[in-house]
Formats: sequence, C-alpha cells, structure tokens
Amino acid sequence: GAGVSQSPSNKVTEKGKDVELRCDPISGHTALYWYRQSLGQGLEFLIYFQGNSAPDKSGLPSDRFSAERTGGSVSTLTIQRTQQEDSAVYLCASSSDRYSNQPQHFGDGTRLSIL
Amino acid sequence: AQSVTQLGSHVSVSEGALVLLRCNYSSSVPPYLFWYVQYPNQGLQLLLKYTSAATLVKGINGFEAEFKKSETSFHLTKPSAHMSDAAEYFCAVTRGGTSYGKLTFGQGTILTVHP
Repeated sequence: GAGVSQSPSNKVTEKGKDVELRCDPISGHTALYWYRQSLGQGLEFLIYFQGNSAPDKSGLPSDRFSAERTGGSVSTLTIQRTQQEDSAVYLCASSSDRYSNQPQHFGDGTRLSIL
Repeated sequence: AQSVTQLGSHVSVSEGALVLLRCNYSSSVPPYLFWYVQYPNQGLQLLLKYTSAATLVKGINGFEAEFKKSETSFHLTKPSAHMSDAAEYFCAVTRGGTSYGKLTFGQGTILTVHP
C-alpha cells in the first residue's frame, strides 16, 4: 500500500519567506509526527498529533513554527519568516495508534534550503 | 527523560564480516527501543523493535539486536555484511507503557562496507 507521502521533496527559498510543508500519512493511521534532521542537531522531535486530541507542540523550536492536521489526515508544517538555521530535512511519520510500541513509518522528507 | 548514545559515528567493515553497531540508552522507565536505517535521500525504515517481549529481537535483512537491561544496551548485529547494508543507522527510544511514541534518536552511525 501507499506509504507516507511528503511534498515538496525539495524546497529552496529566501530568508524571510514563509514555507509550507505537507505530509499525507498512511491511510487509517491516527498518530502523526514531525521530526527535523539537521547536521548539527541530528534528528529532533517537533510535534505530535493523535486523532482529535490537542497536539504536543513541545518540540517546536520557536513561535515561527506551526502545524495543523485537517480532518485527522493530511498535516502541514508552516515556517514563517524563515532563517538560515531552519535549513534541514523535515520528516513526517505516522503510526497506527498512539502507543509507543507501534513503529513509525517515515516519509522521504522535505529538504529545505534557506538562502 | 530518555536518551540514546551510539558509540562510533562511522563504522567500516569488509563484505562478509560481522557488523556490530553499538547503542546505549538511558531511561527512567522501562523503554521501548528501535533501530532504523536511512539510505541516501530517503526516510527512515524500521529494522527491528524491542517492546518488552523477547530480549533477542530479529529484524529485516538479517539484522538482530539484544536488549540487555543490566548494560542498558541494545546493540545491532549482522553476521555477514553485504554491500547493500551501507547506510546510516539510528537507534531510538520511547517511553514504555501507555505513553505515546515520541522518538528520541541517537546521533546515527554511518556504516561503510568494503568489497
């Protein structure tokens, strides 16, 4: 079946612009996660959605970052007023339920470059 | 809080040799542990997971890992390396029990396989 789909695969933008990254999870998966992968910081958790519950935003690095999940499916991660330190690969993952023993299935990521 | 340490950012082996990638964890509660593999320009693929059942876990592509509570370790092994095993490997931990699955990753180990 279809895996986690992320778009765009690559995004190059100028400092100060806003960007929107999209994640389409595996059908039926209720849990959705965003992670960031950068050379300096490795893989970091950003935000978690589960069903209609309030998201866990504890990993978002600043208030320039926000995310939403519409209809319990597609999610968008928005970065406002981008900075060069935002350059990274943004990975989305989904799992079948909220429990921590369930494996997360990852998309191929969006590689974001801020000029 | 949970944390993961992967010993060795780079490991190089000959084709056919034993692969050993080291992972030590720190957790205030019984953890769940995962190994993921990442090929260039791709997302993370689950190799195997430990979720408090058998301590010796077998995964895909001939990999296995043993959970050793006394040593707080979860090292990944494969008896005979193949060229296709060249990739970056990540050890990750989540809280056990009924917590949700926010992953904390190690810094990764790049595996190189020489002919």
